[in-house]
Amino acid sequence: KAGVTQTPRYLIKTRGQQVTLSCSPISGHRSVSWYQQTPGQGLQFLFEYFSETQRNKGNFPGRFSGRQFSNSRSEMNVSTLELGDSALYLCASSWTGTATTGELFFGEGSRLTVL
Amino acid sequence: DQQVKQNSPSLSVQEGRISILNCDYTNSMFDYFLWYKKYPAEGPTFLISISSIKDKNEDGRFTVFLNKSAKHLSLHIVPSQPGDSAVYFCAARVTGANSKLTFGKGITLSVRP
Repeated sequence: KAGVTQTPRYLIKTRGQQVTLSCSPISGHRSVSWYQQTPGQGLQFLFEYFSETQRNKGNFPGRFSGRQFSNSRSEMNVSTLELGDSALYLCASSWTGTATTGELFFGEGSRLTVL
Repeated sequence: DQQVKQNSPSLSVQEGRISILNCDYTNSMFDYFLWYKKYPAEGPTFLISISSIKDKNEDGRFTVFLNKSAKHLSLHIVPSQPGDSAVYFCAARVTGANSKLTFGKGITLSVRP
């Protein structure tokens, strides 16, 4: 079956702009998590959505937000972009979220560059 | 506060030899540990996991060892192959309805032919 799909794969924005990233989970998966990967910090947890509800949130400013739709597809939005937001944003899906075995299935990521 | 630490950023090993990747954690509530592998331009893929009720889990060439008293786990790859060259992330979680995975910063493994 198809894996986790993230769009766009690459994008360039300038400071102050906003960006929306999209994630389509594996069919049947109801949980979607978002992570930010930067060279110095590894994978940092942003938030998790399950059945359209935010179930967990990491330590990121309010400029980072997300939502999940009834078909489990998810979007994350970053407003007022800063240079430090340049990163690979990874989406991961699972059947019930990390409440069970913890295995997540990751997409290939959206590479955001802020100039 | 980095609750999952991978203190060695890189490791280089000769093909056929053993690769040992280490991971330390500080949160004693963590009860499930996972290793993910990541190639460039791809998302991380699940490799192997271990529950805190075990001290070893083996899957083919990959074995994960857990030492709860030392809050330390390690991933052994035997024998190492050039295709194993990737970034390896250690992750941990606390079982619960709203738990999340806490990742380390990753170790870049290079297997020399």
